[in-house]
Amino acid sequence: LAKTTQPISMDSYEGQEVNITCSHNNIATNDYITWYQQFPSQGPRFIIQGYKTKVTNEVASLFIPADRKSSTLSLPRVSLSDTAVYYCLVGDKPGGSYIPTFGRGTSLIVHP
Amino acid sequence: ETGVTQTPRHLVMGMTNKKSLKCEQHLGHNAMYWYKQSAKKPLELMFVYNFKEQTENNSVPSRFSPECPNSSHLFLHLHTLQPVVSALYLCASSQENRGDYGYTFGSGTRLTVV
Repeated sequence: LAKTTQPISMDSYEGQEVNITCSHNNIATNDYITWYQQFPSQGPRFIIQGYKTKVTNEVASLFIPADRKSSTLSLPRVSLSDTAVYYCLVGDKPGGSYIPTFGRGTSLIVHP
Repeated sequence: ETGVTQTPRHLVMGMTNKKSLKCEQHLGHNAMYWYKQSAKKPLELMFVYNFKEQTENNSVPSRFSPECPNSSHLFLHLHTLQPVVSALYLCASSQENRGDYGYTFGSGTRLTVV
């Protein structure tokens, strides 16, 4: 089964760029890499998804090297409201059924 | 609102009660999921439904009984629960049960078993 490893926690300051790296050494050929953000007592919110190279949207960028064994979520100019838990998700597909499995995530705290 | 609505937001039930959690989405998605999130633990996938068919039961006890009458609605029927299962129960949906589709989550039901 594909498994992800992320730092447990990170600290940053308002206005800085934050990069969170996720390791997924056993990623399968067909797996996509998806990142979610979760605030306390709420469901996770989709941030960005990619398969290879670089993807950018209005809130973040996702960098994926050629071997796809890791990925980096980049948040430009964070604010206090970016304090949340960030999850890296890589799919498992045993027996043909896709199993979206979340790891422990990275708790990001943004300081004033 | 995310497009996935869960009711109730909070539920307190006794160990001998029977209750149900409801999830509803009108995003046109065909896959729906139940997750459990206990304090300081990762999200645990419980059930997967794809086009109304259950495709995954992650070794969940029968005290948790899912029901998916159509692609827009998902229920989790609860009975004879212990306080240890108190947690945030999250519903999610996606276009299909595939890795290239993102998931939309509801805000969850905070379940407390007393």
